Amino acid sequence: DIQMTQSPSSLSASVGDRVTITCRASQSISNYLNWYHQKPGKAPKLLIYAASSLQSGVPSRFSGSGSGTDFTLSISSLQPEDFATYYCQQSYSVPWTFGQGTKVEIK
Amino acid sequence: EVQLVESGGGLVQPGGSLRLSCAASGFTFSSYWMHWVRQAPGKGLVWVSRINSDGSTTSYADSVKGRFSISRDNAKNTLYLQMNSLRAEDTAVYYCARGSSWGSYYYMDVWGKGTTVTVSS
Repeated sequence: DIQMTQSPSSLSASVGDRVTITCRASQSISNYLNWYHQKPGKAPKLLIYAASSLQSGVPSRFSGSGSGTDFTLSISSLQPEDFATYYCQQSYSVPWTFGQGTKVEIK
Repeated sequence: EVQLVESGGGLVQPGGSLRLSCAASGFTFSSYWMHWVRQAPGKGLVWVSRINSDGSTTSYADSVKGRFSISRDNAKNTLYLQMNSLRAEDTAVYYCARGSSWGSYYYMDVWGKGTTVTVSS
């Protein structure tokens, strides 16, 4: 199975800050990388697919980059509604696997 | 409105069985792959299973292979997860999700709110 490792596991940031989350795959997954976020008690929501394509309706402050084994999710200016847990997920091979999550908290 | 609604969760004893359902609406259900993803209390997301649009191809996580079975009824716009030989570690919120694609890139773009399964004596 492909292991996905996110860093950091948690971070504290202020509204307006630029935030970057990293995801590393245990083997090359080309661009088969998706990003989701999840608020407490809610279902996950797709943000980015194919490493860098913004899902319809997702604000442009979210962006993704990377290829191969190293990927990044960036939020250009953190908004109050962005405080959540973020997950990367590979769709290169079955079983699909998620990173352990990065919790973005209010500083 | 595109919507997925899970049902069928509950409390079950170890070794017992449960069948989850996921009712789809607002889109052509028979055209999409579908997935189950679970989340144990306080833990991260874990992919469980998927099924292709006509139900002929299925895949499972190793942790549930041989115990869980995914199926669908396209006439009823409903996805199922039959869970047998349940263990305490199967306790989780179970989400169904729609699988979509952009070229060869696959992702889960619509999620239900989840149904809770608790395995305990």
